[in-house]
Amino acid sequence: GDSVTQMEGPVTLSEEAFLTINCTYTATGYPSLFWYVQYPGEGLQLLLKATKADDKGSNKGFEATYRKETTSFHLEKGSVQVSDSAVYFCALKNTGFQKLVFGTGTRLLVSP
Amino acid sequence: ETGVTQTPRHLVMGMTNKKSLKCEQHLGHNAMYWYKQSAKKPLELMFVYNFKEQTENNSVPSRFSPECPNSSHLFLHLHTLQPEDSALYLCASSQEAEPLHFGNGTRLTVT
Repeated sequence: GDSVTQMEGPVTLSEEAFLTINCTYTATGYPSLFWYVQYPGEGLQLLLKATKADDKGSNKGFEATYRKETTSFHLEKGSVQVSDSAVYFCALKNTGFQKLVFGTGTRLLVSP
Repeated sequence: ETGVTQTPRHLVMGMTNKKSLKCEQHLGHNAMYWYKQSAKKPLELMFVYNFKEQTENNSVPSRFSPECPNSSHLFLHLHTLQPEDSALYLCASSQEAEPLHFGNGTRLTVT
């Protein structure tokens, strides 16, 4: 079945450092890919998405490019802030299905 | 305001209790979902409702009983739970192929 693999956390960075959180997927067909973010005490919020190969999703300084050849959707940000501390989830949704398949989440901790 | 409201935010219940979780969405979506979030595990899809009809039950034990009286409201009725059912229960809604919108969850502790 479809699956998503994320790097283990926590990822600990200093403010203004460069961020990469790796995500790879296994799926049949042509899934849409998503990054969700969960701040402490809250539910998940959609951060960005990409619906086809080579699409780049971006939001709030975060970017991720849908790479079909490497089945990856890595999340990047050039300069993180303390307020970016949260848990980040990579997810996919296959065509014709409503089910979102999530990775285990990666906790990001940014210190001043 | 996420557009999806869950109550209560926290719930502590004994294994013999019966309680219900409530979810309400104000987004006009036609699909609603229950997910379970446990520590160090991927989010687990429990149930999906489309236009009030259940379209997916992901092998969830019968001690969890969903109810969807209309497209805006979703309940999860709980009875004779086990300690391993302690988790964050997330409700979400969506419209057709659009991304899911999540509520802030109910933190459930079973004692």
